[in-house]
Amino acid sequence: GQNIDQPTEMTATEGAIVQINCTYQTSGFNGLFWYQQHAGEAPTFLSYNVLDGLEEKGRFSSFLSRSKGYSYLLLKELQMKDSASYLCAVKESNYQLIWGAGTKLIIKP
Amino acid sequence: IAGITQAPTSQILAAGRRMTLRCTQDMRHNAMYWYRQDLGLGLRLIHYSNTAGTTGKGEVPDGYSVSRANTDDFPLTLASAVPSQTSVYFCASSDLASGADTQYFGPGTRLTVL
Repeated sequence: GQNIDQPTEMTATEGAIVQINCTYQTSGFNGLFWYQQHAGEAPTFLSYNVLDGLEEKGRFSSFLSRSKGYSYLLLKELQMKDSASYLCAVKESNYQLIWGAGTKLIIKP
Repeated sequence: IAGITQAPTSQILAAGRRMTLRCTQDMRHNAMYWYRQDLGLGLRLIHYSNTAGTTGKGEVPDGYSVSRANTDDFPLTLASAVPSQTSVYFCASSDLASGADTQYFGPGTRLTVL
């Protein structure tokens, strides 16, 4: 069946690095997205991976291994404004997105 | 208008009432989507439309209907609201012709059914 797993909550320190993992089992694969969602706000697009490897975009990087059904989002030089939920979503064969429940990231000073 | 707008921002509704949530985008995206987001669950697709004049059912379509008369608007209607439809509703749009087909979200509507 379809399943996307992410940790429910993580805590990290300002200035540090954190890695948020996502594992998936879906009906086909046409790419994986990461979104950021601040409390009470809409999800906003962070990254898209369709091929294996690391995509770097400023302080944020995203990695994909299709053979392992695994991705991670790496956040460097953490800032207080990075406190948010991070959502992993997989685009299936029918091009619809299946979403994980999200990882709430708490940044402490 | 810049991006996607939704109305109302929030609404409290009596059970059994009819309610339409509005969604408008100005990006000329061909595809639009309605999701609901509940605590502890991922976003769940209610209905979608790949182009004006066509709609399709998502994961949780029961109790909801949509229409897509033009490119910009994609209203979601609850014919007879029930308490289990209490949720935050997000509309999104994407350009199916783009490589990633990234979805962009509206600000959401917080709906409470009593």
